[in-house]
Amino acid sequence: EAGVAQSPRYKIIEKRQSVAFWCNPISGHATLYWYQQILGQGPKLLIQFQNNGVVDDSQLPKDRFSAERLKGVDSTLKIQPAKLEDSAVYLCASSLQGETEAFFGQGTRLTVV
Amino acid sequence: SQELEQSPQSLIVQEGKNLTINCTSSKTLYGLYWYKQKYGEGLIFLMMLQKGGEEKSHEKITAKLDEKKQQSSLHITASQPSHAGIYLCGADKNDYKLSFGAGTTVTVRA
Repeated sequence: EAGVAQSPRYKIIEKRQSVAFWCNPISGHATLYWYQQILGQGPKLLIQFQNNGVVDDSQLPKDRFSAERLKGVDSTLKIQPAKLEDSAVYLCASSLQGETEAFFGQGTRLTVV
Repeated sequence: SQELEQSPQSLIVQEGKNLTINCTSSKTLYGLYWYKQKYGEGLIFLMMLQKGGEEKSHEKITAKLDEKKQQSSLHITASQPSHAGIYLCGADKNDYKLSFGAGTTVTVRA
């Protein structure tokens, strides 16, 4: 079974630029999560989707971050404009509907300079 | 704010020695998940505990959840270099999403 796919693996951008991350969850997983993990900290949930609807985006900085999951499968997370403090690993995870056990992708390491 | 406290923050263990990591919540948990992470990579699921007093083992790793469901420990017996990494506990508050502790970095010295 294929795991959660994320791209790119690494990205370096200058502050005030925009960036987008892509995630393809495990087939059949209705729930998709985006987490931000700053160096030395645990992952922090940014947004949770159930199919193509948002369940929880309370910790998403909506002035600069946006996410979508239009067809209930793939998802993109965008940052515009990026700040230095956005440097982190962005992790995508998915789970079966009604399950909490999440399967994680390899993550995208973002460096904002 | 972090609702889960992990201790220690990091530890170094000699290969072959045992180690224990603790995870404490200020609130009763619906479930407690343990994950392992290699530096800069994704999280790998280890175990999930849901019942008070529950204990699970897989290979040389044992996890326990206390009766009050507020504290969990992860114990590794006879550590090996493959056990090196960051161990994260995640809290399930019965809302189908996990909030994580800050992690414990484990280094195994040969």
